[in-house]
Amino acid sequence: DADVTQTPRNRITKTGKRIMLECSQTKGHDRMYWYRQDPGLGLRLIYYSFDVKDINKGEISDGYSVSRQAQAKFSLSLESAIPNQTALYFCATSDGQGAEKLFFGSGTQLSVL
Amino acid sequence: GQNIDQPTEMTATEGAIVQINCTYQTSGFNGLFWYQQHAGEAPTFLSYNVLDGLEEKGRFSSFLSRSKGYSYLLLKELQMKDSASYLCAVRDSNYQLIWGAGTKLIIKP
Repeated sequence: DADVTQTPRNRITKTGKRIMLECSQTKGHDRMYWYRQDPGLGLRLIYYSFDVKDINKGEISDGYSVSRQAQAKFSLSLESAIPNQTALYFCATSDGQGAEKLFFGSGTQLSVL
Repeated sequence: GQNIDQPTEMTATEGAIVQINCTYQTSGFNGLFWYQQHAGEAPTFLSYNVLDGLEEKGRFSSFLSRSKGYSYLLLKELQMKDSASYLCAVRDSNYQLIWGAGTKLIIKP
């Protein structure tokens, strides 16, 4: 089983719809992140959380919100989806130790029509 | 502004050696990472450099020069499975990761 699981893997939605992307992890890490990846651009941080009571905005948080329901769960919501939110979304975790390397989920390809 | 530059695409031959360069301009420096990302998959960690010099790990090596704002990833004895994108990322003074757009490496037989 994957250590970082994202659902759904693919989603097509319409402009104006609310959508939630979910992430769960079995690595026992406190730190969780949401990134988006667009062709020709580097990964961009949307939100991050260092523990259940900690939520921080990243570089591109406008139009997104998050919820850290438990240490293992971190969900990303698009309140009213727009076409330029079409992207590949990744959840990631880290243990906050040493190099703090990231462990990524398999990604969610979101298309907003 | 902060910037990470790496070539968009490179082509190499199976069995050969390839060097992927990364130059950076960031607000401070707290380490440089290389990740591998196969098409349609998640990035996976390859290497981490925080001090100048070469870190070797099997067929892969990563070099860092902090004074030059420069790193490279060296892949030896290339295999077809090495066809992937290679992402360079720098952690800045605020401990935020700044990512390059990635280098797509194509391996030809």
